[in-house]
Amino acid sequence: QVQLVESGGALVRPGGSLRLSCVVSGLTVREHYMAWIRQAPGKGLEWVSYIGRSGRTLYYADSVKGRFTISRDTARNSVYLQMNNLRPEDAAVYYCVARVPAPDYWGQGTLVTVSS
Amino acid sequence: DIQVTQSPSTLSASVGDRVTITCRASQNISPWLAWFQQKPGEAPKLLIYKASNLQSGVPSRFSGSGSGTEYTLTISSLQPDDFATYYCHQYRSYPYTFGQGTKLESK
Repeated sequence: QVQLVESGGALVRPGGSLRLSCVVSGLTVREHYMAWIRQAPGKGLEWVSYIGRSGRTLYYADSVKGRFTISRDTARNSVYLQMNNLRPEDAAVYYCVARVPAPDYWGQGTLVTVSS
Repeated sequence: DIQVTQSPSTLSASVGDRVTITCRASQNISPWLAWFQQKPGEAPKLLIYKASNLQSGVPSRFSGSGSGTEYTLTISSLQPDDFATYYCHQYRSYPYTFGQGTKLESK
């Protein structure tokens, strides 16, 4: 059974940083494209970032480029999203997903709130 | 960027109805179109991939069709569990984009 469990969401002030984690079981992260997708409260879905099987293929949405960094730890079978210089518009539920680009495995999401 | 526009944004229907949701892309995305279902407080669930392929475990009352720039999701006989928000998603080219969603409500 595949499970993706996110953590790290919190209330942070504008300009602050957070690191989201996604621990994966039942699926090997090095064998799949992994990604983060976010959903602002009451809004639609937005691709944030993905990392390819090699770990070298990376994608970032223009809205987060230069501020967010995706990474993975194959020994821990985990994926991370380092978020710096957070803005109010980054507030959302962040989902970790597997098997990009039509992901069939999703975590439950972790809530990031950006407010002073 | 490829834009995807769903219609309608809200749909009122009754159990047993046949329901169709449309997604239009700003350019040819064939066949790279998926459909997701999302219920309140839950993560989205993949229903259809590559325009017409039913994801494993998804009931056969769901079907997808289309090509080029126009695609449809059809629920052949609406069930109580189907009231949710539906999103189309193009993955023909970066940046991947989702439609704005269609909320399916009980009439």
